Amino acid sequence: AQSVTQLDSHVSVSEGTPVLLRCNYSSSYSPSLFWYVQHPNKGLQLLLKYTSAATLVKGINGFEAEFKKSETSFHLTKPSAHMSDAAEYFCVVSVVGNQFYFGTGTSLTVIP
Amino acid sequence: EAGVAQSPRYKIIEKRQSVAFWCNPISGHATLYWYQQILGQGPKLLIQFQNNGVVDDSQLPKDRFSAERLKGVDSTLKIQPAKLEDSAVYLCASWDRDQETQYFGPGTRLLVL
Repeated sequence: AQSVTQLDSHVSVSEGTPVLLRCNYSSSYSPSLFWYVQHPNKGLQLLLKYTSAATLVKGINGFEAEFKKSETSFHLTKPSAHMSDAAEYFCVVSVVGNQFYFGTGTSLTVIP
Repeated sequence: EAGVAQSPRYKIIEKRQSVAFWCNPISGHATLYWYQQILGQGPKLLIQFQNNGVVDDSQLPKDRFSAERLKGVDSTLKIQPAKLEDSAVYLCASWDRDQETQYFGPGTRLLVL
């Protein structure tokens, strides 16, 4: 069975400080993993993805994530938070190519 | 490249009324998804199409929800009759097989009064 656990429902950081959003997955197969961002009243935008190539994945807007098979984790990081990063973030696992399982989301607040 | 299109963007109806949402995926994407996202929650898959066939509709409340993709391109999701708990954002997505990635439309926000 496949599942995703986002360990924090809410994260608050000060502008300019690092961001860490945690995601653990469970998969019977070699997974593909994604992070999507959703700004208020907007659709989901792909931030980055891992599909069995390099384990450190760089995405848009300075975000990156590292696939750690031994820890079954795919945490999202950014060195310095910007006000525009305030949004909802979803970790997603995919197996068999086109079946996707969503985490429950992490709401990121950036404090000026 | 045009993205996933959805309409309408917003809809307000009264309970027991009917409503329909439309989605046009990215050109060439054979797989199309409809998700329901209730406020404060992650998207929940309602139905997945491969061309004009249904791959997974296990979480679709079939007594009131229906969806079709007759020609394997655009798709319609219908709710009849609507309940208060159907208030949500309905997201459509399509899958790029080469990129192994889902792309989402802007969603339709439904409010049932």
